[in-house]
This record gives sequence, C-alpha cells and structure tokens, in this order.
Amino acid sequence: DAGVIQSPRHEVTEMGQEVTLRCKPISGHNSLFWYRQTMMRGLELLIYFNNNVPIDDSGMPEDRFSAKMPNASFSTLKIQPSEPRDSAVYFCASSIGQWKETQYFGPGTRLLVL
Amino acid sequence: AQSVAQPEDQVNVAEGNPLTVKCTYSVSGNPYLFWYVQYPNRGLQFLLKYITGDNLVKGSYGFEAEFNKSQTSFHLKKPSALVSDSALYFCAVRDGITGGGNKLTFGTGTQLKVEL
Repeated sequence: DAGVIQSPRHEVTEMGQEVTLRCKPISGHNSLFWYRQTMMRGLELLIYFNNNVPIDDSGMPEDRFSAKMPNASFSTLKIQPSEPRDSAVYFCASSIGQWKETQYFGPGTRLLVL
Repeated sequence: AQSVAQPEDQVNVAEGNPLTVKCTYSVSGNPYLFWYVQYPNRGLQFLLKYITGDNLVKGSYGFEAEFNKSQTSFHLKKPSALVSDSALYFCAVRDGITGGGNKLTFGTGTQLKVEL
C-alpha cells in the first residue's frame, strides 16, 4: 500500500496568492483529516471528513481556508488569499473511519508564505 | 471535553538505559489512547494504542505503554533506548463516549534525545 499521498511536498508562495494542497487517502479508508503543525501551536486538527462529508470544521482558522472531498480518493485544502502566518506543515491523515481505528499520516506539505 | 498533557518538552537518556515519556489525559468516558512518533521532516507514525483489555500495550520498535486508569496516565516506555529512537513523540486521546466522533486530541509532543 502506498500510504497517504500528499502533494506538493514543498510550496513557496507570496502573500495573497492562492494555495492548494492535495491529499490521496489510503484506499478503503473513509475518514480523512487535515492537520496543521507549527512550532507555536503544535498539531491542530483543521477539518475532518467521513464518507466524503465534512463532519467537523471547527478548527479551520477563518474563511480564507476551505476544504473539499469530491470523492473517496481525493481531498484538497485551499488557502485564498494566503498570508505569512499560514506558513506551517500541513498533514493529511486517513483512517478506516471507526473511532477506535488508527489514523495514518501522509508526509506533509511544508508551506512557506512570503 | 477531552485533553491530553505531555509534561516534559524534552527527555534525555543514555543509549541502553530505559526510557519513559509521560502522558496524562482527561476524558468523559473511557479513553482511546495512542502514541505516535515523528522523525525530522516526516509525518507522524503510529506506535501503539490502547482501546480496551490488557493495560500493558506493546507496539512497534520495542515500545510499550501502560494504561493506568486511576492516575489517568499512558506513559510510553522502552527497556533499552537506541540512538535511533531520538524523535518527537506525541500522545493522543479520543473520548470513547458514544458520539465522540473521530476527533483525536494530540499532546504538545516530547522530544526524546538518546545519546551515546
């Protein structure tokens, strides 16, 4: 199994630009999670989906952030417009969906907004 | 509300010595507890979990953790540390009450440094 796949691995952009992060969960997993990791705030859950439906987006910082999951094998996290304080590592994780199950993390996207 | 605490930002241990990384939690129902490890520039990797059953859980790479309900703790242990165990370790908890959902709460992480 290829594991959770994220792209791009690194992204450098200028303030005000749109950024799109992509995630392919493990096949057969029906829950998908987006996290953000920074030195100051640690690991934060932004949003999670179950069966492609957003369940909890209370961690999304503000309206500049949006996430979609159009099908079971693909999700995007979009930031528009981006700001320097959005610089962080963004992780996608997936699980089988039952709440006892382990979440498996992707390698992350390191985002730098100048 | 669920919460988890890792009281030590960093733990230093000599190779070959036992190691302990501490974790305490707070939940309304029964806890589901997890340990993850993160190596530099990598995603989090699952080590072990406690859902129910035996309080001593064995996981990957020789790690184990003991669930202690009275002390609300789930400390990570290894009998003999290796330099390659040096990494950032995260404890996470999910409340087991019905309707708790899939949301995991992670601790702030403990940096483990194993020296020769």
